[in-house]
Amino acid sequence: AQTVTQSQPEMSVQEAETVTLSCTYDTSESDYYLFWYKQPPSRQMILVIRQEAYKQQNATENRFSVNFQKAAKSFSLKISDSQLGDAAMYFCAYRSEAGYALNFGKGTSLLVTP
Amino acid sequence: ETGVTQTPRHLVMGMTNKKSLKCEQHLGHNAMYWYKQSAKKPLELMFVYSLEERVENNSVPSRFSPECPNSSHLFLHLHTLQPEDSALYLCASSLGTSGAETQYFGPGTRLLVL
Repeated sequence: AQTVTQSQPEMSVQEAETVTLSCTYDTSESDYYLFWYKQPPSRQMILVIRQEAYKQQNATENRFSVNFQKAAKSFSLKISDSQLGDAAMYFCAYRSEAGYALNFGKGTSLLVTP
Repeated sequence: ETGVTQTPRHLVMGMTNKKSLKCEQHLGHNAMYWYKQSAKKPLELMFVYSLEERVENNSVPSRFSPECPNSSHLFLHLHTLQPEDSALYLCASSLGTSGAETQYFGPGTRLLVL
């Protein structure tokens, strides 16, 4: 089974600053997909960004970008120009090409201070 | 995000009650999922349906009974639950079941078993 580790239970960032959330995963597969989801207090799980393992180029979505290091099995999320609305739990998730499940980490709680 | 809706949003039930959770997706997807999110634990996949056929059942106790009458609706029937079943139950859907397909989540049902 694949495991996803988020080593930072909590992170804090000032508004307009940049923060990086860490994620590592363990797998023996070569084809898989990685995701970052955001869960605000409303509890809705919202997709932030996704990365296909076969792509070398790091995914970017506006202020959100990833640093995907396949050999190191690392998938960090960088949030630039942080906004108060970015405050939430952030979950890293892994999905294999063949499996049904998203395997989630335990999450990182991001606090954004004015 | 109203692509996936869940009702009720909150539910309190006794251990002898029978209740049902409902999920509806308006995205034209063919696969639907139930996940359980407990405090301090990663999300756990419970069931997967593809074109109304159950394709995954992750050793879930029989007191949880899923039903998928069509590709837009998914139910989770609950009976004789235990207090440790208290959790957030999240429904998700995706276009297909391959790893490339992104899963979109509903807002969840917060369940408390007394």
